[in-house]
Amino acid sequence: GAVVSQHPSRVICKSGTSVKIECRSLDFQATTMFWYRQFPKKSLMLMATSNEGSKATYEQGVEKDKFLINHASLTLSTLTVTSAHPEDSSFYICSARGRFQETQYFGPGTRLLVL
Amino acid sequence: AQSVSQHNHHVILSEAASLELGCNYSYGGTVNLFWYVQYPGQHLQLLLKYFSGDPLVKGIKGFEAEFIKSKFSFNLRKPSVQWSDTAEYFCAVNAPKAGTALIFGKGTTLSVSS
Repeated sequence: GAVVSQHPSRVICKSGTSVKIECRSLDFQATTMFWYRQFPKKSLMLMATSNEGSKATYEQGVEKDKFLINHASLTLSTLTVTSAHPEDSSFYICSARGRFQETQYFGPGTRLLVL
Repeated sequence: AQSVSQHNHHVILSEAASLELGCNYSYGGTVNLFWYVQYPGQHLQLLLKYFSGDPLVKGIKGFEAEFIKSKFSFNLRKPSVQWSDTAEYFCAVNAPKAGTALIFGKGTTLSVSS
C-alpha cells in the first residue's frame, strides 16, 4: 500500500516557539492531504484539508493563524504550530490521498509536547 | 454534516471470544465506510473498507464488517479474537467525492486477555 511519512516523530519545545511538522507521501502523488489531531483516549479530530497548490480549508474552531498549513507540492505538506502553548500538546496525524484514490493513507503521527 | 458514533467505548474479551463492534453513521447521501485499527504505539492501519457492492466486506486479520443501509450501520466482527487484537478501533466515513476527509468515530478500545 501507499506510504506516508511524518517528521519528526516526536518533538519537545518551549512555550512560545513554533514547530513545523512535515508529512510526505513516499510513493504516490497526494493531491489532497489532511491534518488530524488526536487527544489521549480520544478520536481523531480533523483540523484541515489541503489541496496541492491551494489554501487549506480549516474545520470550525481551528485557528488558521495558529496552525499554518502549506501543501506546496504533490508529496509534501507541512503543519506549523505557531507560538505553541502547553494546550497544543497532542498527537498530530496527517493523511494523504491521490487524485483517483478513495482511501486515505495515514502517517505515523507526531507527538508534540510543549513545556 | 456527517457524523459517526461508536457505542462501545471499551470492550474486554477473552481469547477465542467473538467480537462485534457497533458503528452508526449519520449522512443523507452515499458514503464510503472504513474501519481502522491502531495498535499500541503504532499508527492507524486500514482494516477494511466499503465503497459499493456486496455489503459484507472482508478485511485483514480475519475481520469483516456488514453494511446495513437501512440501519446506517457498519458493524465490525471477528469470530474469534486473539490477544494480539488488543488495540483501538475506529470507524470512519466520508462522502465519495474528491477531497472529502474521513470523519472518525470516538473509537473503541478492545482488550483481549489470554
